[in-house]
Amino acid sequence: GAVVSQHPSWVICKSGTSVKIECRSLDFQATTMFWYRQFPKQSLMLMATSNEGSKATYEQGVEKDKFLINHASLTLSTLTVTSAHPEDSSFYICSALGRLPIYEQYFGPGTRLTVT
Amino acid sequence: GQNIDQPTEMTATEGAIVQINCTYQTSGFNGLFWYQQHAGEAPTFLSYNVLDGLEEKGRFSSFLSRSKGYSYLLLKELQMKDSASYLCAVSLTGGGNKLTFGTGTQLKVEL
Repeated sequence: GAVVSQHPSWVICKSGTSVKIECRSLDFQATTMFWYRQFPKQSLMLMATSNEGSKATYEQGVEKDKFLINHASLTLSTLTVTSAHPEDSSFYICSALGRLPIYEQYFGPGTRLTVT
Repeated sequence: GQNIDQPTEMTATEGAIVQINCTYQTSGFNGLFWYQQHAGEAPTFLSYNVLDGLEEKGRFSSFLSRSKGYSYLLLKELQMKDSASYLCAVSLTGGGNKLTFGTGTQLKVEL
């Protein structure tokens, strides 16, 4: 399958600071990427859909000014958590959308964010 | 809203067969995915169903009944490495290929 990377794999930051997470599709071009967050022992919750060259579409309840998404190229999407707080501590996972026939999503390895 | 339910936890014995159920009530349906996720890692694709019936892939099989809003993942010849979380996810019609994930089933394989 296709390979998606995320960087960093883990990050610790102080409350009030911003953190940027990168998601790259390494061997294919992805016009659409998705950002999820996952709390311990819970399932994946979709935060937003990132489309190359256009504004991200956020799910209900997700603050777009707090979670800034940029999809500047066909292989890179970034998620910036602005003014992070301890409640933002979570596992953030991105995925890149594949193509026909089934439009499978290829997931990155995730980023563990801890806000102190 | 969308509702996708799975049992929270299951335990099975190495070498046995286990069936993980998923029921869904969604506004539209464009396919159902099963993913495996080990703790702290990314989900990995297991199977996809869009038509009714059984899809077999080695030790893993997945079944879908669209009229009943029901799917199951069947794991045969269980191995210790199969201990993981199994996620059922539905792709919605007109949803831009977004996936709505179920609650996930934590499977523990014992000796």
